[in-house]
Amino acid sequence: DVKVTQSSRYLVKRTGEKVFLECVQDMDHENMFWYRQDPGLGLRLIYFSYDVKMKEKGDIPEGYSVSREKKERFSLILESASTNQTSMYLCASSFKLGTANTEAFFGQGTRLTVV
Amino acid sequence: GQQLNQSPQSMFIQEGEDVSMNCTSSSIFNTWLWYKQDPGEGPVLLIALYKAGELTSNGRLTAQFGITRKDSFLNISASIPSDVGIYFCAGQDDNYGQNFVFGPGTRLSVLP
Repeated sequence: DVKVTQSSRYLVKRTGEKVFLECVQDMDHENMFWYRQDPGLGLRLIYFSYDVKMKEKGDIPEGYSVSREKKERFSLILESASTNQTSMYLCASSFKLGTANTEAFFGQGTRLTVV
Repeated sequence: GQQLNQSPQSMFIQEGEDVSMNCTSSSIFNTWLWYKQDPGEGPVLLIALYKAGELTSNGRLTAQFGITRKDSFLNISASIPSDVGIYFCAGQDDNYGQNFVFGPGTRLSVLP
């Protein structure tokens, strides 16, 4: 069974804190993605990575950074959390386009509240 | 970024009824995906479509990849209460690199 695991289901952090969201996949996928999901705004891509140590900005990278030191792990970092970063964060992974079966698999989500 | 169009935005149906929803785009895709998301959870893949015209079933769910490659639909037959949730479509194509383009979702409510 394919598995994308996010380290926390719920997090409450204070404004200004540095926040780490971790994601691990066990499918040997090349691609990993971080999205945030807000009511009425759908899924918005923050960052993605198509290989170890590689990263690309998505649609809303401001205020975030990422780290991919190992193929199976992709971390999202909020450098200085702000209340407008309160959201549902979703990690996903997939095989690289051009290979077979490139569908994305999602983690269970992390509900982050910044107070 | 681009988003796909999904209709309807929301629907209320009686248990036992069939459901149909669709996803359209102004550009073509090589892959269409359908996901279901329960409240507070991550989206779960229901069906993946890789070929124009392809019709694929997964239990009571059937999805088709449109011939024009610009649309896809999802049907649910004989709905049950646990079908409640948000259904997302997603497209993938070389034109968007390794990324996926998502629709805004169709919210399904099933009345007993």
